[in-house]
Amino acid sequence: GNSVTQMEGPVTLSEEAFLTINCTYTATGYPSLFWYVQYPGEGLQLLLKATKADDKGSNKGFEATYRKETTSFHLEKGSVQVSDSAVYFCALSDSGNTPLVFGKGTRLSVIA
Amino acid sequence: DAGITQSPRHKVTETGTPVTLRCHQTENHRYMYWYRQDPGHGLRLIHYSYGVKDTDKGEVSDGYSVSRSKTEDFLLTLESATSSQTSVYFCAISESQRQGDGYTFGSGTRLTVV
Repeated sequence: GNSVTQMEGPVTLSEEAFLTINCTYTATGYPSLFWYVQYPGEGLQLLLKATKADDKGSNKGFEATYRKETTSFHLEKGSVQVSDSAVYFCALSDSGNTPLVFGKGTRLSVIA
Repeated sequence: DAGITQSPRHKVTETGTPVTLRCHQTENHRYMYWYRQDPGHGLRLIHYSYGVKDTDKGEVSDGYSVSRSKTEDFLLTLESATSSQTSVYFCAISESQRQGDGYTFGSGTRLTVV
């Protein structure tokens, strides 16, 4: 079946550090890939997405590139801020008309 | 998000009592979902609906039932609450299940079963 694996957290970084959160997936077809963000006390919000291989999704300084050859969709940001502290979820949807499958989430804490 | 609201936001209930959580949307989206969020497990799908009176089970459906009598409302019922159902419950909506369509989430309901 389809699955998403994210790096274990928590991740703690100093402000302006470079961020990478790894995400790899298993899918039978050619899925679409998503990153969602959950700020403290809130629901999840869509951060970015990519729908086919080599696509790059970007938003709010975050980027992720859909790599079919490595089945990966790693999230990156060049310079994190304290306001980026949140839980980040990688997710996929396949071509089989089924609900999104989420990873377990990675908690990011950015300290000033 | 303004288009989707969950109620109540917080609830404490006793073991063995029935509990109903409500999800209400104003977007007229066809699909609605209930997830639970637990430390170490991320988000797990409980049930989802693909239309009025059309529902299907997710990976953790045991102990839960759902109903959707109107497009805008999706109810999650714990028939007899147990401590293992203490969790944060999220509702989500989507216009379709086409690839590339993301979900809009509610703010969650924190349920504690004592």
